Amino acid sequence: KQEVTQIPAALSVPEGENLVLNCSFTDSAIYNLQWFRQDPGKGLTSLLLIQSSQREQTSGRLNASLDKSSGRSTLYIAASQPGDSATYLCAVTPNDYKLSFGAGTTVTVRA
Amino acid sequence: DGGITQSPKYLFRKEGQNVTLSCEQNLNHDAMYWYRQDPGQGLRLIYYSQIVNDFQKGDIAEGYSVSREKKESFPLTVTSAQKNPTAFYLCASSPPAGSGANVLTFGAGSRLTVL
Repeated sequence: KQEVTQIPAALSVPEGENLVLNCSFTDSAIYNLQWFRQDPGKGLTSLLLIQSSQREQTSGRLNASLDKSSGRSTLYIAASQPGDSATYLCAVTPNDYKLSFGAGTTVTVRA
Repeated sequence: DGGITQSPKYLFRKEGQNVTLSCEQNLNHDAMYWYRQDPGQGLRLIYYSQIVNDFQKGDIAEGYSVSREKKESFPLTVTSAQKNPTAFYLCASSPPAGSGANVLTFGAGSRLTVL
């Protein structure tokens, strides 16, 4: 059974600092990996999707890398802003399309 | 605008009552999902459906039921058999399998509280 772990569970940084969020998974047989953002009491918004054949994806200040062999993905957020404060979740898709989610990392960016 | 609408946003239930959460999408997606989110835990899959009139149990289906009579709609019923139903429920949808990506679109969620 796929296990997805996100460490740390919470992170607090001053504005302007770069953020590094980690995601690890136990089964490397994945179809893709997604990063989501969740604001308090809201649904999830997809940030980046990395196909299993890709090594990284970029969107604006966000960059996500994928190392399937080691079962790791990292989400980098450059020059953090208070508006980046949210919970970030990663999810892996095995071949049967039933996503497995991590518990998330809650980020607070201090002004 | 295309998206997923969940209702109600907040729901209170007495013990022993069944409640139904609504999920409607206008994205023309084939697949729809129901997840449960508890504090400090990842999302857990309750049920999913890849086509109309067909659905499969997820990891925590006990105490829940669904139907998929229309492509746009995937309601979830939380029955009295669900022992700990207080949670945040999220509905999602995705394009057909093999379309090149499995990007999920989520609704805003429904928070169920058992009194």
